[in-house]
Amino acid sequence: GAGVSQSPSNKVTEKGKDVELRCDPISGHTALYWYRQSLGQGLEFLIYFQGNSAPDKSGLPSDRFSAERTGGSVSTLTIQRTQQEDSAVYLCASSLGGGSKYNEQFFGPGTRLTVL
Amino acid sequence: AQSVTQLDSHVSVSEGTPVLLRCNYSSSYSPSLFWYVQHPNKGLQLLLKYTSAATLVKGINGFEAEFKKSETSFHLTKPSAHMSDAAEYFCVVSAMNRDDKIIFGKGTRLHILP
Repeated sequence: GAGVSQSPSNKVTEKGKDVELRCDPISGHTALYWYRQSLGQGLEFLIYFQGNSAPDKSGLPSDRFSAERTGGSVSTLTIQRTQQEDSAVYLCASSLGGGSKYNEQFFGPGTRLTVL
Repeated sequence: AQSVTQLDSHVSVSEGTPVLLRCNYSSSYSPSLFWYVQHPNKGLQLLLKYTSAATLVKGINGFEAEFKKSETSFHLTKPSAHMSDAAEYFCVVSAMNRDDKIIFGKGTRLHILP
């Protein structure tokens, strides 16, 4: 079956522009996660959705970052007024829901964002 | 509060020799622990997970990990390394308490020498 998909796979933007990153989770997965992976760093948790609500958005690094999820499926991560330090690979994962954080997460291939 | 520490950023072993990737954690609640693997230019894949059942957990590709509460460790091992094991490995801690975060370690890059 189809796995988690993300688009675009690569995004190059200029400092100050806004970007939108998209995640399509596995069908039936109610939990969705966004992470950021910078060069040489581990994964940094950004936000977690259970259905359309985000019980944990504490990882968002600033108010320039926001995310939404509609219909319990597709999610978009928006970064406003991008800065060079936003350059990273943004990973999305989904899992069976129920609010259980010990369900296996299935990861998408990521979006590589480069801010010039 | 939770944290996870992967003690080695890089590990090199010869093909056919044992692999040990170390992970220590701290958690206020009963933890769930995971190991994920990330091959170059590929997505993360679950290797194995511990969720308070058996303390010795077997995963894919011959990997296993042992949960040792007294040592707060969850080290990943494999008896005999293969060239295809070269990748980055992440130890992850989560908790049964929904308010606790999922925490990824900084990763250990495993190099396999011919």
